[in-house]
Amino acid sequence: DVKVTQSSRYLVKRTGEKVFLECVQDMDHENMFWYRQDPGLGLRLIYFSYDVKMKEKGDIPEGYSVSREKKERFSLILESASTNQTSMYLCASSFLRRGDVGEQFFGPGTRLTVL
Amino acid sequence: DAKTTQPTSMDCAEGRAANLPCNHSTISGNEYVYWYRQIHSQGPQYIIHGLKNNETNEMASLIITEDRKSSTLILPHATLRDTAVYYCIVRVAIDYKLSFGAGTTVTVRA
Repeated sequence: DVKVTQSSRYLVKRTGEKVFLECVQDMDHENMFWYRQDPGLGLRLIYFSYDVKMKEKGDIPEGYSVSREKKERFSLILESASTNQTSMYLCASSFLRRGDVGEQFFGPGTRLTVL
Repeated sequence: DAKTTQPTSMDCAEGRAANLPCNHSTISGNEYVYWYRQIHSQGPQYIIHGLKNNETNEMASLIITEDRKSSTLILPHATLRDTAVYYCIVRVAIDYKLSFGAGTTVTVRA
């Protein structure tokens, strides 16, 4: 089975702190994604990466950065956490295939609370 | 991406088939229909996708109308573990991004 793991299920941080969320996948997928999910707003893409050291902005990249030094690991960084970044953060991965991206495999999510 | 319309909620009896409708009347020729679900406090899970032919896998069947303006996800024998929010998404195949709307909350009752 494809496995996508995230470093924490629940995280509480203070305003202004630097926050690292880590994601690891074990299926040799090229694509990795970071989303946030909020009630009433659905799922929104923050950043994605299609290769090591490559990244592309999604719909809401402001206040976030990412790092992909190894193929299996994709990190989301909140440089200075703010209360409006309180959310559920979901990591996903998929194969890079021409013609049909197909399915994305999601991790269990990290519920981040910024006080 | 084409918009989709799903009912807000539906109930289903355990062991019976659950038929989840989705309208996507503005779908274009190169857009696929995808279904995902999200069980409470878990990440979303892929179920199935299709272009114009009906599709079946170990989890579900996807029936797409001939004009492609609507589709139905069928869970053949619903179990309590199928209680989840189900999302119908329409997008081009090479589009990396997933966007979920409100989905249909399905409650399977014993």
